[in-house]
Amino acid sequence: AQTVTQSQPEMSVQEAETVTLSCTYDTSENNYYLFWYKQPPSRQMILVIRQEAYKQQNATENRFSVNFQKAAKSFSLKISDSQLGDTAMYFCAFMKHAGSGGSNYKLTFGKGTLLTVNP
Amino acid sequence: ETGVTQSPTHLIKTRGQQVTLRCSSQSGHNTVSWYQQALGQGPQFIFQYYREEENGRGNFPPRFSGLQFPNYSSELNVNALELDDSALYLCASSLRQMNTEAFFGQGTRLTVV
Repeated sequence: AQTVTQSQPEMSVQEAETVTLSCTYDTSENNYYLFWYKQPPSRQMILVIRQEAYKQQNATENRFSVNFQKAAKSFSLKISDSQLGDTAMYFCAFMKHAGSGGSNYKLTFGKGTLLTVNP
Repeated sequence: ETGVTQSPTHLIKTRGQQVTLRCSSQSGHNTVSWYQQALGQGPQFIFQYYREEENGRGNFPPRFSGLQFPNYSSELNVNALELDDSALYLCASSLRQMNTEAFFGQGTRLTVV
């Protein structure tokens, strides 16, 4: 079974600054995906960024980038130039690769980090 | 292209009652997954439906059941409600072939009293 751990229940950052959210995971799988999801007060889970474990290059989406350390099973999210709209719960999540066997593609989530961006 | 819609948005039920939650998947998506998110926790996988059949189940008792219809919309049914069933229930739809592109609805907030 996979587990995802987010050790920072809450974090805050000043607008325009950079913040890094931490995530570690445990799995015996070699091929998998890792995700960061954002959940604002509207409750809808929104995909921020995705990383495929077999790709060594860290994923980047505009102001969002990850530091993926496969051997250390670490997957941190860096938000640059933080904006007020980035205030939300952030969840790290794991999904097995389809070729790893099993017929469903469930996401395993961490407990989340509440990020507050202050003006 | 419509997104994932869930109904109702909020619901209050009494312990022991039964509840049905509904989800309309994004246009063209044939896979629906349900998650339970307790207060202050991350979502927990309940089950997934693909082409009208259950395609994997998390650690939830049989009183949690579901359906998927030919138009790929889905229902989550919970019987004999318990206080601990109070949570946000999230539905996510995806194309099986692109299973990493899951789109979530806004959820149904269920309160059991």
